[in-house]
Amino acid sequence: DTGVSQDPRHKITKRGQNVTFRCDPISEHNRLYWYRQTLGQGPEFLTYFQNEAQLEKSRLLSDRFSAERPKGSFSTLEIQRTEQGDSAMYLCASSLGTATYSNQPQHFGDGTRLSIL
Amino acid sequence: AQSVTQLGSHVSVSEGALVLLRCNYSSSVPPYLFWYVQYPNQGLQLLLKYTSAATLVKGINGFEAEFKKSETSFHLTKPSAHMSDAAEYFCAVTFNAGGTSYGKLTFGQGTILTVHP
Repeated sequence: DTGVSQDPRHKITKRGQNVTFRCDPISEHNRLYWYRQTLGQGPEFLTYFQNEAQLEKSRLLSDRFSAERPKGSFSTLEIQRTEQGDSAMYLCASSLGTATYSNQPQHFGDGTRLSIL
Repeated sequence: AQSVTQLGSHVSVSEGALVLLRCNYSSSVPPYLFWYVQYPNQGLQLLLKYTSAATLVKGINGFEAEFKKSETSFHLTKPSAHMSDAAEYFCAVTFNAGGTSYGKLTFGQGTILTVHP
């Protein structure tokens, strides 16, 4: 178990630029989640993949956000035309899940901290 | 809809004293509950989970929590605080809705624990 890996750890960019983050989940985990955490708040759910299928997206995920998990392994989260309000920690988590049970704990990566200048 | 309320955004204790971090949840179906700990600039680490088995759950680092349905609570305790326990703690809830839940977590606002020597 090598844990969930996220890259980069920090990203500083100018407003209006596009950014892409990568998440490598624990290898046998079929579920992958993205969360966003702003300062002083708990993480908020953004989107969820079961294998390669994106099954749920939060209303927080505007049209500027897109996520993929092309082969059911790693995932990318892209933000286009970044805005000041996008500054946050973006957390990825993975877990095992079946169609019936969802009580397996999620394992989190260390996150990507995005700062918009 | 689910929600989590953590009472007290900051808790301060002396080393060796009892730690009590409060969490109340709201869920229309039986919940699964989790406590996570977050150290600065890191992701979330699972402390313990309640998934409808024993109501008293023991976790890592000497922490435990008790699920009380009548009080809709899942408070986190540790008999004797250690300096290394200083961190931010998050309570989270999810649920199993007959296969339609994907396990996304709803987090509380977090409680920052400070431990004084």
